[in-house]
Amino acid sequence: GAVVSQHPSWVICKSGTSVKIECRSLDFQATTMFWYRQFPKQSLMLMATSNEGSKATYEQGVEKDKFLINHASLTLSTLTVTSAHPEDSSFYICSARGASGRADTQYFGPGTRLTVL
Amino acid sequence: GQQVMQIPQYQHVQEGEDFTTYCNSSTTLSNIQWYKQRPGGHPVFLIQLVKSGEVKKQKRLTFQFGEAKKNSSLHITATQTTDVGTYFCAGYDYKLSFGAGTTVTVRA
Repeated sequence: GAVVSQHPSWVICKSGTSVKIECRSLDFQATTMFWYRQFPKQSLMLMATSNEGSKATYEQGVEKDKFLINHASLTLSTLTVTSAHPEDSSFYICSARGASGRADTQYFGPGTRLTVL
Repeated sequence: GQQVMQIPQYQHVQEGEDFTTYCNSSTTLSNIQWYKQRPGGHPVFLIQLVKSGEVKKQKRLTFQFGEAKKNSSLHITATQTTDVGTYFCAGYDYKLSFGAGTTVTVRA
């Protein structure tokens, strides 16, 4: 089956620093990748959708200058949380959709737990 | 915009009993997907329902998609301690929207 990895699996950083999270599709080419955020005991909220080679589409209320998304290749998308603050502490999960796959099928990564001190 | 509502938010079940979690969408869905997230883990895909009125079973889990393709349910029979976790429905209508989840705890 399709495998999506994320790195790192967890990260602790100081307030004001930037953190980069990688999302990789290991055995398929992902034309579209999605970034979700999940706060404790809450559901997954879609932050943005990125298509390879083009700018990401952000959901309402998500600051594009704070959450920088790059999808430079068909197997890698990165999310950079810039100038992180404690309120950005969350579980960030990516998912990927293949070029030949159904539009409604996404494969989820294992998530990255970010703690900002 | 599309909204997916899920109830109950919490379900505390005696081991061996059955329970059901329900999902409702504000719009007609192309399909609905169900995920399970164990404590500290990430959502794991369980199943996808596409057809109106579709019913699918996975051992003790029965998934149903409503005739109008706006609601769905997950019924678990003879609950076991391994069923602990949060069950999310996610409706697809040009994008995937997750319900709030039902967190299940089991008392032995």
